[in-house]
Amino acid sequence: EAGVAQSPRYKIIEKRQSVAFWCNPISGHATLYWYQQILGQGPKLLIQFQNNGVVDDSQLPKDRFSAERLKGVDSTLKIQPAKLEDSAVYLCASSSGQGLEQYFGPGTRLTVT
Amino acid sequence: DQQVKQNSPSLSVQEGRISILNCDYTNSMFDYFLWYKKYPAEGPTFLISISSIKDKNEDGRFTVFLNKSAKHLSLHIVPSQPGDSAVYFCAASAIAAGGTSYGKLTFGQGTILTVHP
Repeated sequence: EAGVAQSPRYKIIEKRQSVAFWCNPISGHATLYWYQQILGQGPKLLIQFQNNGVVDDSQLPKDRFSAERLKGVDSTLKIQPAKLEDSAVYLCASSSGQGLEQYFGPGTRLTVT
Repeated sequence: DQQVKQNSPSLSVQEGRISILNCDYTNSMFDYFLWYKKYPAEGPTFLISISSIKDKNEDGRFTVFLNKSAKHLSLHIVPSQPGDSAVYFCAASAIAAGGTSYGKLTFGQGTILTVHP
């Protein structure tokens, strides 16, 4: 079974630029999560989708971050404009249902200069 | 506010000995706890979990202990192997509104475990 796929793996941008990350969950997984992991900290949930509906986006900085999951499969997370403090690893995870085991992708390491 | 804390940033253990990783939480609503392991350049992988109705769960070399009164859990690895060297994250969750599933995971900061041959 293929795991969670993410791209790109690394991205370096200047502050105020925009960036987008892509995630393809495990086939058949209805629930998709985006996490932000800042160096030295644990992952923090940004947004959770159930199929293509948002379940929780309470910690998503909506003035600059947006996410969508069209057709309930893959998802994109966008930052516009980026700030220095957005430098982090962005992890995507999926599960077959809410509250069940989450499978993580390898992450995208973002550096904002 | 850090609701899940792993106060030891790192732990170094000799191969064959026991590794004990600790985690404390403050939110009394948490009732499901998990440990994840993370290798460099990879995403976290699920290791073991425990529900608040239990105080111990064992899976091979890994055992998780939960002390609800102290709001403390620990992961024991016996015997430790060099391949266990990784970052270990503790995570906690509470029953979501509606009571049918668990809500979002709250992670600790992680502990870097190094097992020396």
